Amino acid sequence: GENVEQHPSTLSVQEGDSAVIKCTYSDSASNYFPWYKQELGKGPQLIIDIRSNVGEKKDQRIAVTLNKTAKHFSLHITETQPEDSAVYFCAASKNPGYSTLTFGKGTMLLVSP
Amino acid sequence: SAVISQKPSRDICQRGTSLTIQCQVDSQVTMMFWYRQQPGQSLTLIATANQGSEATYESGFVIDKFPISRPNLTFSTLTVSNMSPEDSSIYLCSVVARTGVTNTEAFFGQGTRLTVV
Repeated sequence: GENVEQHPSTLSVQEGDSAVIKCTYSDSASNYFPWYKQELGKGPQLIIDIRSNVGEKKDQRIAVTLNKTAKHFSLHITETQPEDSAVYFCAASKNPGYSTLTFGKGTMLLVSP
Repeated sequence: SAVISQKPSRDICQRGTSLTIQCQVDSQVTMMFWYRQQPGQSLTLIATANQGSEATYESGFVIDKFPISRPNLTFSTLTVSNMSPEDSSIYLCSVVARTGVTNTEAFFGQGTRLTVV
């Protein structure tokens, strides 16, 4: 089955800096790669996703890149703010509509003012 | 999109007892899942809740321990049976719903934080 590795497990940055979280996956059939943000006491919430037919996607301060050859994808957050502090999970799936998600272990991001 | 209401949000239970968690969705969805998130850990899929048939369990999870019901396309329950302290976790309901003409997205409930003493 699919295996998703995520690094780093914790990341501390100063407000305004950029943060990068990286994930690798094992199953070349995976074609959907979402990123979730989980705040304390809440369920994960989708912040951005990318499908295998594109290499990069951007939404304001958040961007995701995908390298299918190397089987890795990354989350980039620019101009970080304290409210970005949360646990971020990457995931992979073969078909987001009908197959399950395999999650990475998560990255705790702490943005200091 | 989909809005998920999960109950209870938290509970403290005695070992040996059972707890049933409810998941209500504001729209009909085909795919509904139950995940476990142990303290400080990632999400692990317990099972896929199938409407009108038995749930599909992942390796390491069995129906006797985690019975699941899915009576219709908007509701499901997960029961954690004969609980032990090792069952202390956050249990999350998830659904897949359309967000556009061709796109789908997984939505999560806020979770049930279970502590077994």
